[in-house]
Amino acid sequence: QSALTQPASVSGSPGQSITISCTGTSSDVGGYNYVSWYQQHPGKAPKLMICDVSNRPSGVSSRFSGSKSGNTASLTISGLQAEDEADYYCSSYTSSNTRVFGGGTKLTVL
Amino acid sequence: QVQLVQSGAEVKKPGVSVKVSCKASGYTFTSSYLHWVRQAPGQGLEWMGMINPSGGSTRYAQKFQGSFTMTRDTSTSTVYMELSSLRSDDTAVYYCAREISGLYYFDYWGQGTLVTVSS
Repeated sequence: QSALTQPASVSGSPGQSITISCTGTSSDVGGYNYVSWYQQHPGKAPKLMICDVSNRPSGVSSRFSGSKSGNTASLTISGLQAEDEADYYCSSYTSSNTRVFGGGTKLTVL
Repeated sequence: QVQLVQSGAEVKKPGVSVKVSCKASGYTFTSSYLHWVRQAPGQGLEWMGMINPSGGSTRYAQKFQGSFTMTRDTSTSTVYMELSSLRSDDTAVYYCAREISGLYYFDYWGQGTLVTVSS
């Protein structure tokens, strides 16, 4: 199972919006609405930000949103804030009943 | 509240095994799967495998089949992962993470356990 493909880095200024893509195949991202997104600050455990493609768990800011088209899922962060600077990972259920992560994207808030 | 508390850091020599524990609390242990995810220094997250605490069934990433074993102890609500024939590239932080049965995302994570493999 190959890792999902994410851009290595994205950046944006405070107040702007950014989008991180996550590309897989029809055996994972494209085949199921089971894509989730995680935020990880340095030295910390990952934190769930989006589940089931576009659902926000309780307590997660409405500035975070998710979507999917075909084999590509996306995470959008609007109204960028300094504390959003972190690494972001997508994950998907697969047809083999395994899980797979993306390579991760480093978000820099300029 | 849900908590996953992992055992402490380990330093191991190449070729030996390491066993890391993850003690769950705050929920019904047998109602959720537990997964292991590792992160090598400066690298991304890598899914290793999962266990169903209810029956003990496991599923592993192909890469780890043969060298990786997950077990559980329902009496203490603890899952274990054992990685054998350690190599230097097994140096990583190992996380356990919970996935509620039927929901395909990780809602709670352990604090991570650093395993260092060095001669």
